[in-house]
Amino acid sequence: QSALTQPPSASGSPTQSVTISCTGTSGDIGYYNYVSWYQQHPGKAPKLIISDVTRRPSGVSDRFSGSKSGNTASLTVSGLQAEDEADYYCSSYAGNNILLFGGGTKLTVL
Amino acid sequence: QEQLVESGGGVVPPGTSLTLSCRASGFTFSHFALHWVRQAPGKGLEWVALISNDGRDKSSADSVKGRVTISRDNSRNTLYLQINSLTTEDTAVYYCARDLYSYGWGGGDCWGRGTLVTVSS
Repeated sequence: QSALTQPPSASGSPTQSVTISCTGTSGDIGYYNYVSWYQQHPGKAPKLIISDVTRRPSGVSDRFSGSKSGNTASLTVSGLQAEDEADYYCSSYAGNNILLFGGGTKLTVL
Repeated sequence: QEQLVESGGGVVPPGTSLTLSCRASGFTFSHFALHWVRQAPGKGLEWVALISNDGRDKSSADSVKGRVTISRDNSRNTLYLQINSLTTEDTAVYYCARDLYSYGWGGGDCWGRGTLVTVSS
């Protein structure tokens, strides 16, 4: 059970777009379409922003979008706003009722 | 509204056991799988354990396998996590999360605020 790989940090200026990657293997991201993304502000619980690779839960801004290619999933945040500054985590189903998380990416809005 | 509230955390000595609870309200508890996820101070999220909606299917991470028992009581809308042989490595905020699906593969769409477990002598 190895964690998914995310860059530790990402940044962008307001109104710009930023993409965060999440790399797994052919046994998790590459095989299943059960990739989720979470946003976590300091001291708060995680919040689901993308499920099933591309699905946005009700109430989540359409500035957040997800995609997948091979063993790598991506989260794109468009039109960056100050409130987007947070930690972002990916997760994927990995078979045998096992879930994996990425190590997290700290997004800074410059 | 849909809510999960964890309890049972605290300061405990190494080698002891602890049982965490997560009480649900505002949704049909028996329809959804549930997860425990923990976060050590200053660290990332770590998936701990999963239980299906009917309690028949359970699984846990290799890092805690053999030391944790996940269970649920659908009549009480409550999820549990028993952790044995606690070490300092178990110090973390423990969150319960409701999965999107009954089988637990979809990720958590509703999270509690967490309960802090500190393992210290």
